[in-house]
Amino acid sequence: AQSVTQLDSQVPVFEEAPVELRCNYSSSVSVYLFWYVQYPNQGLQLLLKYLSGSTLVESINGFEAEFNKSQTSFHLRKPSVHISDTAEYFCAVSALRGSQGNLIFGKGTKLSVKP
Amino acid sequence: EPEVTQTPSHQVTQMGQEVILRCVPISNHLYFYWYRQILGQKVEFLVSFYNNEISEKSEIFDDQFSVERPDGSNFTLKIRSTKLEDSAMYFCASSPQGVGNIQYFGAGTRLSVL
Repeated sequence: AQSVTQLDSQVPVFEEAPVELRCNYSSSVSVYLFWYVQYPNQGLQLLLKYLSGSTLVESINGFEAEFNKSQTSFHLRKPSVHISDTAEYFCAVSALRGSQGNLIFGKGTKLSVKP
Repeated sequence: EPEVTQTPSHQVTQMGQEVILRCVPISNHLYFYWYRQILGQKVEFLVSFYNNEISEKSEIFDDQFSVERPDGSNFTLKIRSTKLEDSAMYFCASSPQGVGNIQYFGAGTRLSVL
């Protein structure tokens, strides 16, 4: 079984400040890792994913996440946030084998960017 | 850009009533999923569906729940006799393939059981 922990339920930051949203996971099998974002009144959208290869993955809007196997973490970072980044961010894992790709989510972190 | 569509956006029902939540997945996708999120809690996996049958389900998905793909385009979640604790946001998702592939989510249906 897998589980995901997002320790911070809310993260308030000022515009142009850096931000890190933390994600730790627990699993007895190898997993794929995902970050999804949910803007108000919208569905979940994939932000980035780690399947294999380079442990640092980037999104098109400046977010990056680094897979750290020894620390079982997949923290999300952005060096300079914008007002438009205000949303809820969900970390998720999916087992490599033994499933049809169903996602196990963390509780989410609400990022609030203030001017 | 293709998207997953869910209707209705908000459903209010009385306890004990049956509800059907509807989803139209992206047309060439093969894998379909339902998730739910009780207010203030995690998004939880309910069921996955492939090749016209359930491929995996969580312990939440008990006999009160069923899924169907009645006409090759819609994907429905039925709750036979709703309970207060079924109140949640229900998300449908679809994926071109299973493991490791991006799941595309709908905007969700908020179910309120009174």
